[in-house]
Formats: sequence, structure tokens, C-alpha cells
Amino acid sequence: SAVISQKPSRDICQRGTSLTIQCQVDSQVTMMFWYRQQPGQSLTLIATANQGSEATYESGFVIDKFPISRPNLTFSTLTVSNMSPEDSSIYLCSVGGGWAMNTEAFFGQGTRLTVV
Amino acid sequence: AQSVAQPEDQVNVAEGNPLTVKCTYSVSGNPYLFWYVQYPNRGLQFLLKYITGDNLVKGSYGFEAEFNKSQTSFHLKKPSALVSDSALYFCAVKGNRDDKIIFGKGTRLHILP
Repeated sequence: SAVISQKPSRDICQRGTSLTIQCQVDSQVTMMFWYRQQPGQSLTLIATANQGSEATYESGFVIDKFPISRPNLTFSTLTVSNMSPEDSSIYLCSVGGGWAMNTEAFFGQGTRLTVV
Repeated sequence: AQSVAQPEDQVNVAEGNPLTVKCTYSVSGNPYLFWYVQYPNRGLQFLLKYITGDNLVKGSYGFEAEFNKSQTSFHLKKPSALVSDSALYFCAVKGNRDDKIIFGKGTRLHILP
């Protein structure tokens, strides 16, 4: 299993500002995933972050809005840019589940973001 | 494209009765199937998975799930429900040639005392 730490755990932000969420894993992993869970909804994959290459974004998500960094095999950041109230969600970092792996995904505790 | 469906938004079960939470899936290739639980204000916890082998898999907290290839289903079950089982349950799927795990919309389970 993997232990994943996310910071901050929650934040209240003004619209138009940006927030960077950090994700630290206790072991080296090739792939990291960022999900969004809007209130009362399921998890939606935002992007896959590979170390040493640009993130791969899912339909409906773009790099300008959700820039991702992956400087090494244990760390990643997701920035939510130019926030609006519609960005209010829980953002979750995840590892595991890559194509070569048959393991389950492990999740951080999430970052609860409220945009006012 | 892979997808997963949880047809029930909410399931109500009396404490002590058996429970079933339904899940069907669609993937290319062989499926990897998962169940997760989310308690209020907490992260997702892994319950169990099917990769290969026995169609009946057992997981945490007395839960089990049965993989049915012909019906493309992976229903979550428990013989005797507890009030503490009340939570939001997510079914998830990954194709064996895919990188990412896709989640169903979730089913809220209410166990009535």
C-alpha cells in the first residue's frame, strides 16, 4: 500500500485567485492521478501525471485551468487557476492502477476547496 | 471506452439483513474491478478487488463481491448489515490495457436500526 499526504486539507478561496494542492507519496510511483469530486457526486478524473512528461488531461479539463507539476517520483502538485464557485469540490490525489499494475488505487484524504 | 454504472442512488436495508449494491461495467479487454467506501468527511477506503481467479472475492469489514462475466456485473454484498456500514459506496473499473480507474456515480447505503 501507499501513504498519500495532501496539503492543504481544506481552504476557502476568493474567486479569481489560484490554489496549489500538494501531494506527497511515501514511495516512488510512476503515475499519479488527480480526481475531482463535486458535492454529492462521483469522482471525475482530471489528469494523469507522469514524472518527466507533461500531464495527460481528460476531456473537459485543460492545462491552463489545472496546471500540474510532477518534479519527481514521490510528489505532484495541482493548481486550480482563476477559481470560480463552480470549482468548489474535493480534489483527490491518487496512485496505483497504472496499466502495468493490477493493484487498487490509493487516495489521499483530499483537499476540500470552497470558492466564494 | 470504459464505463461503470451503479443503477441505484440509494439503498435502504434493515440492520441484520443481507445487503446488495449493484454495479455493471464496460471495458476493453479483461476488467480489473474495485469497490471503495467513503464515510462522511473522510477519504476513499479500498474494500476489495477482482483481478483474476475466483469469481467471489472477499474484502474488508465482511464485504464480498461476485464477478459475473456474462452479465458484466460486480455486485457488492454483505450477509448481515450493520448500522456502521452506512456510507457512500463506489464501484470502479480499469481495463487491463488502461492506465486509469473510472468510478461509478456512487450508491448511498442506509442501514436502518
